[in-house]
Amino acid sequence: DQQVKQNSPSLSVQEGRISILNCDYTNSMFDYFLWYKKYPAEGPTFLISISSIKDKNEDGRFTVFLNKSAKHLSLHIVPSQPGDSAVYFCASGSYQLTFGKGTKLSVIP
Amino acid sequence: EAQVTQNPRYLITVTGKKLTVTCSQNMNHEYMSWYRQDPGLGLRQIYYSMNVEVTDKGDVPEGYKVSRKEKRNFPLILESPSPNQTSLYFCASSPGGRTSRYEQYFGPGTRLTVT
Repeated sequence: DQQVKQNSPSLSVQEGRISILNCDYTNSMFDYFLWYKKYPAEGPTFLISISSIKDKNEDGRFTVFLNKSAKHLSLHIVPSQPGDSAVYFCASGSYQLTFGKGTKLSVIP
Repeated sequence: EAQVTQNPRYLITVTGKKLTVTCSQNMNHEYMSWYRQDPGLGLRQIYYSMNVEVTDKGDVPEGYKVSRKEKRNFPLILESPSPNQTSLYFCASSPGGRTSRYEQYFGPGTRLTVT
């Protein structure tokens, strides 16, 4: 049973445009949500997080939105840059982290 | 430099030959964890540790052992490796707070091949 789902394995976006990565979760006990970014041959790095008591968190070009009623979160990257090309993992948990399968973002110059 | 180190980075071994992948962090983190990444399956947690001498199973613990005798080290032990344990392994650590434990620092990964 997949508790965290990233339904888009890949996404291509033009440089300068908005990238929107989506994630759905099923466990209503999850109270913290995160996005991690992973480059090839490196470990994932923490990008941004949001608590279940909020619906938006912003950090520079990155914004995470949480819709608890829909059990959905999204990551917006504006403007997208070629260096943002990576695999993005959504993760959530109530005691330990559960990761989605990842979405590979390609930002085209 | 704050970091999580793993050794070895690459390992090719044969079925049944015991091996240990070491993990060490220099950030005095309480929480440590092991994940494996497989194509199409994302990151799955193997074991985690909330503190010294406290370990617990993750989602895919079968065939693995861990120990946490010191705060900085969290080795992953495969007593009798099998080909289905061929994978990319990541160690991670984080502070032990209620939410900060989720903001994990990952090591560079260990690519293991079992033939």
